Amino acid sequence: DAGVIQSPRHEVTEMGQEVTLRCKPISGHDYLFWYRQTMMRGLELLIYFNNNVPIDDSGMPEDRFSAKMPNASFSTLKIQPSEPRDSAVYFCASSYQGQGTDTQYFGPGTRLTVL
Amino acid sequence: EDQVTQSPEALRLQEGESSSLNCSYTVSGLRGLFWYRQDPGKGPEFLFTLYSAGEEKEKERLKATLTKKESFLHITAPKPEDSATYLCAVQASSQGGSEKLVFGKGTKLTVNP
Repeated sequence: DAGVIQSPRHEVTEMGQEVTLRCKPISGHDYLFWYRQTMMRGLELLIYFNNNVPIDDSGMPEDRFSAKMPNASFSTLKIQPSEPRDSAVYFCASSYQGQGTDTQYFGPGTRLTVL
Repeated sequence: EDQVTQSPEALRLQEGESSSLNCSYTVSGLRGLFWYRQDPGKGPEFLFTLYSAGEEKEKERLKATLTKKESFLHITAPKPEDSATYLCAVQASSQGGSEKLVFGKGTKLTVNP
C-alpha cells in the first residue's frame, strides 16, 4: 500500500487567502484524522471521521477551519481566510478498527506558511 | 483533562550509550499508550502500543514499558540512525470508545557516532 497521501507537501500563501489541504487515507481504513503540529503546542487533533462522518471536531480552532470527507478515499481541510498563526505542519492519519487495532498511520504532512 | 508530559525535551547520547525516555500521563482510564518515532520533515511512524501496566514490547534496540502513571522507552546501545524525535500519546477509555490520541511534545534524541 502507498500509505497515507497528502497534498500539497508545501503551501505558501498570503493572509486572507483560502487554503485547501488534501488527504487520501490507506485503502480499507475507516477512521481519518487531521492533526496540526507546531513547536509551541506539539501535535494536536483537529477533527476525526468514522466511515466519512465527522465524530469529534472539538479541536478545530475556529470557524475559519472546515473539513469534509465526501467518500472513503478523500478528505479535505480548508482554511478560509488564512492567518499567519495558522502556519504549521498539518498531518492526516488513518486507522482501521476492524481487527481491534488502534494504530493510526500518518501521512508525510503539509507544511503551511501564511505570510 | 488528559495530559502527557515527556522528558527530557532533548537527549544527546554517544553511540552505544544506553538510556531511557520518560512519558508521564494523566488520564481518566487508559485505553492505550502509543509510541511513535518522527524524523525531520516526515510524519510520525508507529512503534508500539501498550495497553496495561506491566506490559512490555521490544523492537530491535527499543523496549517500551508501562506502569499506571508512566511509560519508558529504553534504548539499548543506540546507533546514529536512532536519532529522531520520539512521541508518546495516550488514548482514554473515558471518552466512550473515542479514537482520540493526546500527544506529548516529544523527546528529541541525537546519537553521535
